[in-house]
Amino acid sequence: NAGVTQTPKFQVLKTGQSMTLQCAQDMNHEYMSWYRQDPGMGLRLIHYSVGAGITDQGEVPNGYNVSRSTTEDFPLRLLSAAPSQTSVYFCASNGAGAGANVLTFGAGSRLTVL
Amino acid sequence: AQKITQTQPGMFVQEKEAVTLDCTYDTSDPSYGLFWYKQPSSGEMIFLIYQGSYDQQNATEGRYSLNFQKARKSANLVISASQLGDSAMYFCAMRGNRIQGAQKLVFGQGTRLTINP
Repeated sequence: NAGVTQTPKFQVLKTGQSMTLQCAQDMNHEYMSWYRQDPGMGLRLIHYSVGAGITDQGEVPNGYNVSRSTTEDFPLRLLSAAPSQTSVYFCASNGAGAGANVLTFGAGSRLTVL
Repeated sequence: AQKITQTQPGMFVQEKEAVTLDCTYDTSDPSYGLFWYKQPSSGEMIFLIYQGSYDQQNATEGRYSLNFQKARKSANLVISASQLGDSAMYFCAMRGNRIQGAQKLVFGQGTRLTINP
């Protein structure tokens, strides 16, 4: 029972490089989301999805792309990395109905942009 | 727009004492939900407790309770009989109207709780 799996756990990029953070959940959850955590600022929502094929922007979407081709996967793409994107990234998912208010997080991905 | 404020950057408490972590919120939505999460030093985010704005009773989950005061717009977390394992960062979060689940949360800055033996 893996829950939410994020890869990679650590990544170092140079400014201008692109990369994809992978996120997969095996709980058949409808909803998935990406947050970034910066020191002293809590977590901020980047993008979220309410189902396969449906995504929407959160509070800090600039510089990131997402897609949701399957229920299980919700990758986050950095188009041209900038030092300001150095952060810890969390993917999360939640279901509908009784489980709607329980957000399950992945272990996080620490990204450093030089 | 919604906003969560946690005014205590750090708190130090003796083991076995009760502790209250403060959270105030601002929203114009008539219906909303409030959450608390724990983040140990290992980094994972752990869901603790949820309170809906129309819930009549304060939420409780084991040693955790949420002291919800709607008129004051506060949603404080109370941990009874604190343990060394409670040392962690704690985040208050909320969702707004038209959102039925936890998929679009606004988080506060967090409070770092340290339990002393």
